[in-house]
Amino acid sequence: GAGVSQSPSNKVTEKGKDVELRCDPISGHTALYWYRQRLGQGLEFLIYFQGNSAPDKSGLPSDRFSAERTGESVSTLTIQRTQQEDSAVYLCASRTTGFTGELFFGEGSRLTVL
Amino acid sequence: SQQGEEDPQALSIQEGENATMNCSYKTSINNLQWYRQNSGRGLVHLILIRSNEREKHSGRLRVTLDTSKKSSSLLITASRAADTASYFCATDRTGANSKLTFGKGITLSVRP
Repeated sequence: GAGVSQSPSNKVTEKGKDVELRCDPISGHTALYWYRQRLGQGLEFLIYFQGNSAPDKSGLPSDRFSAERTGESVSTLTIQRTQQEDSAVYLCASRTTGFTGELFFGEGSRLTVL
Repeated sequence: SQQGEEDPQALSIQEGENATMNCSYKTSINNLQWYRQNSGRGLVHLILIRSNEREKHSGRLRVTLDTSKKSSSLLITASRAADTASYFCATDRTGANSKLTFGKGITLSVRP
């Protein structure tokens, strides 16, 4: 596709359930980022993938959060045993390299945990 | 912790006026970028300024960078109601594997 695609766009789940969010980056972009944005807040870095290097997981808030990326394609962010404080918009972005240049963002996945 | 800190947090101006937004950061950077976010949408890149540049223009946007003060400003001239959005600065820190760290954003309201 032409841009970064995220799914689902909206997800409502019950506390304690697991959720999986998907990101399709722009073809050829080696760097992929996940951010979390709580209502009215800035972007909180979660995890970063660069090519075949080990991902930078330093932003993941707890071991309930994990992410995978297959090569330079699709990434999934998994939140296990969701809590109400996990409610936020999860934004995915990609760019051609991990060192410089603009990020291209998806429209985000809005997660609501009841 | 946030690398970029924008101010003011909120700005309300009349259509046609200029809007100035500021960003400060803490560490050495390769470049600084400004993004815009309309309500409920993803972020859109506006402009990138490299650490060896002092000023850059793009249409009605003017960005300055002062690396000695670790600060940047974004000027939107002749603002329009459609400029109403949140604006974020982001920094690529010196060194490999940059996280591109974002500030908390500035909410700009342009009154018609």
